[in-house]
Amino acid sequence: QVHLVQSGAEVKKPGASVTVSCKASGYRFTDAFIHWVRQAPGQGLEWVGRINPNSGGTYYGQKFQGRVTMTRDTSISTAYMELNRVISDDTAIYYCATQQHNGDHFEDWGQGTLVSISS
Amino acid sequence: EIVLTQSPATLALSPGERATLSCRASQNVTSYLAWYQQKPAQAPRLLIYDASNRATGIPARFIGNGSGTDFTLTISSLEPEDFAVYYCQQRNNWPVTWTFGQGTKVEIK
Repeated sequence: QVHLVQSGAEVKKPGASVTVSCKASGYRFTDAFIHWVRQAPGQGLEWVGRINPNSGGTYYGQKFQGRVTMTRDTSISTAYMELNRVISDDTAIYYCATQQHNGDHFEDWGQGTLVSISS
Repeated sequence: EIVLTQSPATLALSPGERATLSCRASQNVTSYLAWYQQKPAQAPRLLIYDASNRATGIPARFIGNGSGTDFTLTISSLEPEDFAVYYCQQRNNWPVTWTFGQGTKVEIK
C-alpha cells in the first residue's frame, strides 16, 4: 500500500525560502514519478512540477521556473520541494502525488502541507 | 498550452439523482484525461484515468466518457458521500506540463 507522508506546516516571511518533504513507502521509490500540486485557500488545484526519483530529472510549471527546485534522496525514499523568494500568493496547501510510468494521472497523494506566508 | 474548462461551476442535486459533469479541452488530448474527487480538508482522490477507467476501489456509479476535446463524468445515482468538488486533469505534450480544470462543486439541493 502506497503511503506518502509530508512534513509539517510552515510559516514564512515574504522573501524567505520553504522546503517541504514527502516520504514514500509501500513501493520502490524509483518506480514512480513524484509531482507537487498546490491549492490556495478556497481555490482549485495548480500543478507545480515533477521529479523523476530515478534520474533526478525535473519538469516545472512556467509560473514557478527559477523559484522552485525539486530534489530527492533515494536512500530514504524522500522527495523535496524548495520554493524560494516566497510571496503571500504562495500561501497554499502543497501536496505530493505519484505518477506511475504507464500513466499521466496522479495515483496516490500525500496528506498535504500548509505553507503560510505572512509578514 | 491546453486549457481545461469545466462546467457547470456548481451543480445542486439531491441524493439519488444523476450528476453529469463536463470537461472541455482547448486542444485534442486523445484519451489521456483523469478525474479527481476532493472533499473538504482532504487530499484529492483519483476516480477515473484514461477518460473511462475507474481507479482501484471506485464504485461503478462513477462513469467517465469522452475523447478528443469533450469529456464527461457521470455519477449515476448520487450517494451522500459524493457531494464534493470534482476536477479533470490532463498532460500537455509541449511544454511538458500537467493541467487541472477549475473544478465543479456538486452540492446538496
